[in-house]
Amino acid sequence: AQKITQTQPGMFVQEKEAVTLDCTYDTSDQSYGLFWYKQPSSGEMIFLIYQGSYDEQNATEGRYSLNFQKARKSANLVISASQLGDSAMYFCAMRDRGDSGKLIFGQGTTLQVKP
Amino acid sequence: KAGVTQTPRYLIKTRGQQVTLSCSPISGHRSVSWYQQTPGQGLQFLFEYFSETQRNKGNFPGRFSGRQFSNSRSEMNVSTLELGDSALYLCASRTDLNSPLHFGNGTRLTVT
Repeated sequence: AQKITQTQPGMFVQEKEAVTLDCTYDTSDQSYGLFWYKQPSSGEMIFLIYQGSYDEQNATEGRYSLNFQKARKSANLVISASQLGDSAMYFCAMRDRGDSGKLIFGQGTTLQVKP
Repeated sequence: KAGVTQTPRYLIKTRGQQVTLSCSPISGHRSVSWYQQTPGQGLQFLFEYFSETQRNKGNFPGRFSGRQFSNSRSEMNVSTLELGDSALYLCASRTDLNSPLHFGNGTRLTVT
């Protein structure tokens, strides 16, 4: 069964510094997709970045990049130049199977950015 | 383009009642998924609809049901509410079956 593990319940980072949020996954599938979402206190889940298992390059979207290490089954999110508005809960997720709309989520990491 | 719209934002119901939550996907999105989020269980998949057909269903009792209309709008119904149904219910839509999910703001349901 697919599984996502986020081992950091909470993280602090100083404004303007970079931070890495850890995510490891478990799957027996060869083809899979990994996602990161941000959830501010308002509740909305905001899609940040996607990495496909066959993508040779690490995904990047603005200040977000995904450090994808397939052999280690890790998909860490790197946020560069942290801003106060980055304070939120971050979830790593994996698509359950194929083109399913079912995502398996990790438990999340709460990030607090200090001024 | 407007995002995923969920109504209402907040609901307070009593045990034993039933409730209907609504979700309007992003224009052009044909797939709608529903998730339940609680502090204890985290985010759990309820079901997915595509072109008015249920594609996937999570491990929830039959009290949880849903449907999708021809305009892709979706509703989720929970009957005989229990205290444990108190949660944030999130709806998500996507353009096609290989696209990422885009979520709405959620409906926060409190059962007393």
